[in-house]
Amino acid sequence: AQSVTQPDIHITVSEGASLELRCNYSYGATPYLFWYVQSPGQGLQLLLKYFSGDTLVQGIKGFEAEFKRSQSSFNLRKPSVHWSDAAEYFCAVAPYSGGGADGLTFGKGTHLIIQP
Amino acid sequence: DSGVTQTPKHLITATGQRVTLRCSPRSGDLSVYWYQQSLDQGLQFLIQYYNGEERAKGNILERFSAQQFPDLHSELNLSSLELGDSALYFCASSGGSSGSIGELFFGEGSRLTVL
Repeated sequence: AQSVTQPDIHITVSEGASLELRCNYSYGATPYLFWYVQSPGQGLQLLLKYFSGDTLVQGIKGFEAEFKRSQSSFNLRKPSVHWSDAAEYFCAVAPYSGGGADGLTFGKGTHLIIQP
Repeated sequence: DSGVTQTPKHLITATGQRVTLRCSPRSGDLSVYWYQQSLDQGLQFLIQYYNGEERAKGNILERFSAQQFPDLHSELNLSSLELGDSALYFCASSGGSSGSIGELFFGEGSRLTVL
């Protein structure tokens, strides 16, 4: 079965500083990988996804992520964070089962705090 | 606005009771997913329906059941409620069976409190 590990429960970053959120996955085949963001009181919103091809993927809100197969990682990055980026970030992996789409397996999430 | 509507937003009930959570997916989306989010378990996949049929089942308790109706809205029924069932329940929808794997649109959730 697939699994996702987000090693950092909380991360604090100063506004304007760079950000990297870590994600490691375990999956037998080529994974479909995602980052979602959950703002306070809101549902989750897709930031970006990786299916195949270029290992550096761009997402919304200035985020990017890099797939590294050798490290089973899919870390999320942003060069300069804004106070509005304070949220919970979830890495997720999707299996593919013969023509159907199963539910995503999410990591536990990383809570991002932005210091002024 | 994701286009996914969940009702009610908040629900408080007692142990042993039964509740129904409702979800209207985005217009045109055929798949509906239910997730449970709690502090200790994180975000857990419960069940998926595709065009009225159950497609995948995750960590859903036997006390819980769901269905998707012909108009594609879905309901999650939680019965014999326990304190540990207190959580945020999310519905999500997606457009197709394989073309949009993992690209889910989430509602704002239904917060269930069991006293």
